[in-house]
Amino acid sequence: AQSVTQLGSHVSVSEGALVLLRCNYSSSVPPYLFWYVQYPNQGLQLLLKYTSAATLVKGINGFEAEFKKSETSFHLTKPSAHMSDAAEYFCAVIRSSGNTPLVFGKGTRLSVIA
Amino acid sequence: DGGITQSPKYLFRKEGQNVTLSCEQNLNHDAMYWYRQDPGQGLRLIYYSQIVNDFQKGDIAEGYSVSREKKESFPLTVTSAQKNPTAFYLCASSGGVSTGELFFGEGSRLTVL
Repeated sequence: AQSVTQLGSHVSVSEGALVLLRCNYSSSVPPYLFWYVQYPNQGLQLLLKYTSAATLVKGINGFEAEFKKSETSFHLTKPSAHMSDAAEYFCAVIRSSGNTPLVFGKGTRLSVIA
Repeated sequence: DGGITQSPKYLFRKEGQNVTLSCEQNLNHDAMYWYRQDPGQGLRLIYYSQIVNDFQKGDIAEGYSVSREKKESFPLTVTSAQKNPTAFYLCASSGGVSTGELFFGEGSRLTVL
């Protein structure tokens, strides 16, 4: 079965500082990996996805993530945090083969301090 | 515009009452999903449907029921058997279950008084 673990339920950074949100996955088959963002009282929207084409994936709003098979990780980064980045971020995994739904991590809340 | 519409946005109900949450999509997607979100627990899958007139239980289906009579509609009923129904409910759709690219509605917040 696939699963993801997000390290840290809450991360706080200063405006302009590096954002690093951690995600480790567990999968018996090659996975597809995703990051979603949720702003308060809204649904989720896709930030970026890894589907085995390239290990460094660029997404919207300046975010990117790198797939590292040796570390079973898919950490999300952004060089310089903006106040508008404050939200909850979810890592998710799905099997690259088969027909099973997406499995989400528990989320990391990002706070940006002025 | 194409998207997912959930209603109502906020709902209050008394214990022992069933309540139905609406989810409609005009994206022509085959797959639809219901997730429950509680603080610190992420999103947990309640039910999903890959095609009209077919649906599968997710991880926390007990106390919930769904139907998929039309491609664009996937209503969720929270029954009185659900022991802790107060939560934020999210509906989503995708072109297929295996894509992983879900489009979400804005959610329905259910409070049981």
